[in-house]
Amino acid sequence: DAGVIQSPRHEVTEMGQEVTLRCKPISGHNSLFWYRQTMMRGLELLIYFNNNVPIDDSGMPEDRFSAKMPNASFSTLKIQPSEPRDSAVYFCASSSEGGGYGYTFGSGTRLTVV
Amino acid sequence: AQSVTQLGSHVSVSEGALVLLRCNYSSSVPPYLFWYVQYPNQGLQLLLKYTTGATLVKGINGFEAEFKKSETSFHLTKPSAHMSDAAEYFCAVTNSGTGNQFYFGTGTSLTVIP
Repeated sequence: DAGVIQSPRHEVTEMGQEVTLRCKPISGHNSLFWYRQTMMRGLELLIYFNNNVPIDDSGMPEDRFSAKMPNASFSTLKIQPSEPRDSAVYFCASSSEGGGYGYTFGSGTRLTVV
Repeated sequence: AQSVTQLGSHVSVSEGALVLLRCNYSSSVPPYLFWYVQYPNQGLQLLLKYTTGATLVKGINGFEAEFKKSETSFHLTKPSAHMSDAAEYFCAVTNSGTGNQFYFGTGTSLTVIP
């Protein structure tokens, strides 16, 4: 298995532009998580899905952020419009039901908004 | 509710010295506990985990951790630090229920001094 695949690895965009981050979880995993990591705030859970259904989006900072999981093999995190304070590394992780297997993290997308 | 506290955001050890990274958890149900390692510019990688059974668990790269219920702790140790161990380490807790949301600590940055 290729693991959790995120794209792009790096994204530089101008303030006000729409940004879409993509994630392909491990086949067979039924939970998917989006995290944001910054020096100031550490790892923050933004949203997670079980069986493609959003379970908890309380970590999504504002309405500018939205996430979808149209099927078991794909998820997107969209920021519209982007702002400089959105600059961070965004991680996607997936896991199997039951919790005992741990998360498998993707390599992350480093977003820079200028 | 579940939570994790990592004591010491920065730890420095000499090469060859004992590594001890502290993690205490809070959980109202039997916990599953994890340690993750993050090398610079990479995603988080599972180091080891405790779910049930033997309370001393061994992971990759010579690390091990012991689950101590009475102390609500899951400290990470390695007998002899290597330069390649320099990284950020995260402790996490979840449980066996469905949904399996993980709760991460704030991380401990390990520096190894030659």
